[in-house]
Amino acid sequence: AQKVTQAQTEISVVEKEDVTLDCVYETRDTTYYLFWYKQPPSGELVFLIRRNSFDEQNEISGRYSWNFQKSTSSFNFTITASQVVDSAVYFCALSITGANSKLTFGKGITLSVRP
Amino acid sequence: DSGVTQTPKHLITATGQRVTLRCSPRSGDLSVYWYQQSLDQGLQFLIQYYNGEERAKGNILERFSAQQFPDLHSELNLSSLELGDSALYFCASSRTAVWSPYNEQFFGPGTRLTVL
Repeated sequence: AQKVTQAQTEISVVEKEDVTLDCVYETRDTTYYLFWYKQPPSGELVFLIRRNSFDEQNEISGRYSWNFQKSTSSFNFTITASQVVDSAVYFCALSITGANSKLTFGKGITLSVRP
Repeated sequence: DSGVTQTPKHLITATGQRVTLRCSPRSGDLSVYWYQQSLDQGLQFLIQYYNGEERAKGNILERFSAQQFPDLHSELNLSSLELGDSALYFCASSRTAVWSPYNEQFFGPGTRLTVL
């Protein structure tokens, strides 16, 4: 069975601070995909990034960066110079190849960015 | 806008009632997934349909059922509703049933169900 753990439940930072959201996953499959989704107060789920298990290259997209480390089964997300608009719940999710591609989500991290 | 539509946006009903949530996938997507987001359980996979057939089941209660129609829209039926069924129900769609690098799931805006 797959499992995603987001140990942090709530994080509060002041605008312009950097913040890292942690994600640890468990799976016995060798081929899998990891995701981050953002859920702003409006409620919709916004896709941020997808990473497959064979690609450990870190990725940077503007103020967002992701650090994937298979050795520690972690896929952490860093927001640089946070902004108030980054306030949201962030979910890490895992999907394995196979008969279906359901997403297994972590519990989510509520990020509050104060002006 | 993900291209996935869900109706209604909000639904308020009483315990013991039955409701139907509707989802229209993105054009060209054959697979539909239903997820439930509740305060205590978080975001959970309920069920998946692919081209009209049930493909996978998750933590879906027996009081809940779903189907996918020939035009590929899907409905989630919730019956004998309980207070604990209050949640945000998301539908997602993807091109195929199995994962591939290009088979991303796109989520609809969700239906917020309140059971009083």
